[in-house]
Amino acid sequence: AQKITQTQPGMFVQEKEAVTLDCTYDTSDQSYGLFWYKQPSSGEMIFLIYQGSYDEQNATEGRYSLNFQKARKSANLVISASQLGDSAMYFCAMRGFNGANSKLTFGKGITLSVRP
Amino acid sequence: DGGITQSPKYLFRKEGQNVTLSCEQNLNHDAMYWYRQDPGQGLRLIYYSQIVNDFQKGDIAEGYSVSREKKESFPLTVTSAQKNPTAFYLCASTLSGEYNEQFFGPGTRLTVL
Repeated sequence: AQKITQTQPGMFVQEKEAVTLDCTYDTSDQSYGLFWYKQPSSGEMIFLIYQGSYDEQNATEGRYSLNFQKARKSANLVISASQLGDSAMYFCAMRGFNGANSKLTFGKGITLSVRP
Repeated sequence: DGGITQSPKYLFRKEGQNVTLSCEQNLNHDAMYWYRQDPGQGLRLIYYSQIVNDFQKGDIAEGYSVSREKKESFPLTVTSAQKNPTAFYLCASTLSGEYNEQFFGPGTRLTVL
């Protein structure tokens, strides 16, 4: 079984500053992937970034980077130079690579508000 | 443009009625998924299908049914047996392979009156 924990209350950040959104996970799979999604108020889920468990380097995608600490089972999302359009809910998710099962397990999400 | 479409965007249903939510993708993805999202909550998996004519129950399948007769289509029926169906429903798809992200449709907001 897999579990994703996102426990931060609503987060606030000043425009142009960086912010870290926390995610911890638990799994018995040896190989797995971690994903972050953004959900604006419109409701669609937007894929942001992916990190494989065997990737030695932290993933980066533009202003998004993933601070992956395997021993601590954490996969925090870092957003640099926050913009007003970053205000949304952010979900951490994982998938175990055990052959037959391609399900994603999601956390409960974190609400981020960017202040001008 | 390739993508996932869900219809309708908003749906109202009377108690005791079955209703079917549409999900179509033209991404040539093998696997498709249905999730339910309640206010302030994460996504919970209802059903998923990795190939045509085959599907598996997710974590909260009771009161729901699906079919996968075509690769492009994965409709979800919310039956009268679902005791609390008011929620936001999201459909997703992905290519086979462990490293591929899921792409999501715009969602259907179902309200039971």
